Amino acid sequence: AQSVTQLDSHVSVSEGTPVLLRCNYSSSYSPSLFWYVQHPNKGLQLLLKYTSAATLVKGINGFEAEFKKSETSFHLTKPSAHMSDAAEYFCVVSSLGGYQKVTFGTGTKLQVIP
Amino acid sequence: DSGVTQTPKHLITATGQRVTLRCSPRSGDLSVYWYQQSLDQGLQFLIQYYNGEERAKGNILERFSAQQFPDLHSELNLSSLELGDSALYFCASSVRPNTEAFFGQGTRLTVV
Repeated sequence: AQSVTQLDSHVSVSEGTPVLLRCNYSSSYSPSLFWYVQHPNKGLQLLLKYTSAATLVKGINGFEAEFKKSETSFHLTKPSAHMSDAAEYFCVVSSLGGYQKVTFGTGTKLQVIP
Repeated sequence: DSGVTQTPKHLITATGQRVTLRCSPRSGDLSVYWYQQSLDQGLQFLIQYYNGEERAKGNILERFSAQQFPDLHSELNLSSLELGDSALYFCASSVRPNTEAFFGQGTRLTVV
């Protein structure tokens, strides 16, 4: 079975403070993991991806995520939040086991307070 | 701009009707994915095609069907529409399965 759990449905941070969006996954196969961002009334944009190379992955707009196999986690972080980071973030797991399976998390809405 | 084109952007139709949503993937991408995003269900993976063949299936209703054509564009057909089918339907494409997908802007379907 494959699943993704985004531990927080809403996260609120002050501008300039660190961001942590948590994601745990389970997969029977070696997964690829992604974080996507969706701004209001927009499509989804890829932030970063993990595909079995370096465990610390750097993405766009200063975001990064660390793949921790022992903890089955792929948390998204950013050292300093910007107002433009306010959006919904989705953690995604994709695995190939003869038949590809793609699972989205339920999303985390990030609010940035000025 | 992701390079993935979806048409139409908005669609309003009545219950019981049938609609077709169209997706043109990025140049060179062989995989196409369809997703449904609604307020109560969140983002749901529907189906994936790779080079014309079905590759993965998610929570797609029997009233829905899709196909990918030889030129790699894809269509999602929704029939016997119900009010609950109102949602944003996204198409995404990738070079091959299990690589990053690039999303279109979506088609907002409203069933009245």
